[in-house]
Amino acid sequence: DQQVKQNSPSLSVQEGRISILNCDYTNSMFDYFLWYKKYPAEGPTFLISISSIKDKNEDGRFTVFLNKSAKHLSLHIVPSQPGDSAVYFCAASATNTGGFKTIFGAGTRLFVKA
Amino acid sequence: EAQVTQNPRYLITVTGKKLTVTCSQNMNHEYMSWYRQDPGLGLRQIYYSMNVEVTDKGDVPEGYKVSRKEKRNFPLILESPSPNQTSLYFCASSFIPGELFFGEGSRLTVL
Repeated sequence: DQQVKQNSPSLSVQEGRISILNCDYTNSMFDYFLWYKKYPAEGPTFLISISSIKDKNEDGRFTVFLNKSAKHLSLHIVPSQPGDSAVYFCAASATNTGGFKTIFGAGTRLFVKA
Repeated sequence: EAQVTQNPRYLITVTGKKLTVTCSQNMNHEYMSWYRQDPGLGLRQIYYSMNVEVTDKGDVPEGYKVSRKEKRNFPLILESPSPNQTSLYFCASSFIPGELFFGEGSRLTVL
């Protein structure tokens, strides 16, 4: 049972345009959501996060939107750059249950074409 | 420099030969965790630790052991490796709650 789902294995976008990566979750106990970026031969690196008390968080070119009623979050990258080409993982945690498991989605590979 | 260090980075071994993948962090994080990455499956949690001497199973703990005797170290032990444990392994650490800092990964092949 996948609690965090990224249904698009890959996404191709033209440089300068917007990239939208989507993520759905099933566990209503999740209250902290994160996006990680991974280049080949490197470990994932943290990109941006959002708490369930917010519906939007912005950091430069990256914005994460959270729709709790739909159990859906999305990462917007604008404008997209060739250096953004990587695998993006959505992750979710339940911080109020006494534990702190972080569950990851399967990832979406973003290609930004110059 | 803040970092999570894993060793070895690459390892080829044979079925049944015990091995340990070490993980060390220098950020005084309470939380440490091991993940494996397999094609199409993303990152799956093996074990995690909330603090010294506190460990718990993740989603795929079978065939693995961990220990947390010191705050900075969280080794992953494969007592009797099998070919289905061939994977890319990542150690990570964080404050609670907080974003995870990952090591560079350990690619393990079990023949």
